[in-house]
Amino acid sequence: TQLLEQSPQFLSIQEGENLTVYCNSSSVFSSLQWYRQEPGEGPVLLVTVVTGGEVKKLKRLTFQFGDARKDSSLHITAAQPGDTGLYLCAGQLRAYGQNFVFGPGTRLSVLP
Amino acid sequence: DAGVIQSPRHEVTEMGQEVTLRCKPISGHNSLFWYRQTMMRGLELLIYFNNNVPIDDSGMPEDRFSAKMPNASFSTLKIQPSEPRDSAVYFCASSFRLAGRDTGELFFGEGSRLTVL
Repeated sequence: TQLLEQSPQFLSIQEGENLTVYCNSSSVFSSLQWYRQEPGEGPVLLVTVVTGGEVKKLKRLTFQFGDARKDSSLHITAAQPGDTGLYLCAGQLRAYGQNFVFGPGTRLSVLP
Repeated sequence: DAGVIQSPRHEVTEMGQEVTLRCKPISGHNSLFWYRQTMMRGLELLIYFNNNVPIDDSGMPEDRFSAKMPNASFSTLKIQPSEPRDSAVYFCASSFRLAGRDTGELFFGEGSRLTVL
């Protein structure tokens, strides 16, 4: 059983479309991070959210941390082929020594 | 600046053989993590070190796996003997962590893809 669930598992869209991916858990997190991983490479940090209800923007990407700090969403506006990759959320848990537990990821493909 | 460096990038071996994966963390980072990534289980934390000391190895699958960090600039993950179910991509990551409620960034290497036949 995964501590973190991500949906959808796979997403294929056309360039220019908007999309939202979700990260959910029954656990409360100290903080939550989003990473993007491209084929043959390690994950790269996109953002860290700490406060319940927090919203952060990174160019066309908008990240939101749920009020109860149990869930998060990532919204991409006007997706581009360069956004293609595996999007991983990672929740920080006190019970895990403040280490980050990763979700299974959403694999996004943006077609030109 | 050099990132986290892992070697080898690819390893193909036969069941029963010993496998050693190597990692050089980013200079100045005080925490090092070994992860394993598979399609079925995603990214799993195997073990992490803080100031070269293993803090939590509860993610290590079984006694066939061992990890060492003899100094701040080098770590190894060893599998002996290897089995086909160990096939995965193994990532090393490093970070600078302060005590308490740290939200530091994990910097990942490019991974070592292991195939055990």
